Amino acid sequence: QKEVEQNSGPLSVPEGAIASLNCTYSDRGSQSFFWYRQYSGKSPELIMFIYSNGDKEDGRFTAQLNKASQYVSLLIRDSQPSDSATYLCAVNWRTGANNLFFGTGTRLTVIP
Amino acid sequence: GAVVSQHPSWVICKSGTSVKIECRSLDFQATTMFWYRQFPKQSLMLMATSNEGSKATYEQGVEKDKFLINHASLTLSTLTVTSAHPEDSSFYICSARTIYEQYFGPGTRLTVT
Repeated sequence: QKEVEQNSGPLSVPEGAIASLNCTYSDRGSQSFFWYRQYSGKSPELIMFIYSNGDKEDGRFTAQLNKASQYVSLLIRDSQPSDSATYLCAVNWRTGANNLFFGTGTRLTVIP
Repeated sequence: GAVVSQHPSWVICKSGTSVKIECRSLDFQATTMFWYRQFPKQSLMLMATSNEGSKATYEQGVEKDKFLINHASLTLSTLTVTSAHPEDSSFYICSARTIYEQYFGPGTRLTVT
């Protein structure tokens, strides 16, 4: 049974702080990993993806991947109230695999 | 990034009627599109994978005769909910895949009364 697990939260951080979102996955052979942000009533929007172990930075966002631990995280620096949303971790199990499996999401609230 | 559109954005229909939802990739060709369903406070659940020119692949538990999918061209896939019932009320989201990334449409909120 392939699984993608996230802490459902809610996770609350003060404005300007670092928000840390975590995700674990069950299939060691997973190839690519994605973070999506979903505002209430809206569809998910891609924040970033990561394929290789280590860190990948894009603006205020940093994705971290540790394949040995089957763990991927998303750090949001200088959190803003507009970052308040549900963050979905998604995993593509195999290279060339056609679809993504999603975690249940972590709800983040940034307190002004 | 790539743009995916959906139409309609919301629809209310009576129980027993059918509803068609369109998904279009606006600035790229998508040989594969996906249909998801999301109930309140739950994650996205993949319903089916739609391949251009061939039959859709449905996930376990999804009735293919109830959720008809047609992928007529490289930029258009449609989902028809046939004989809709209140339990089909949900947020339906399509997505289309480029080589590396998967982009989502804005979603269609279906309410069956």
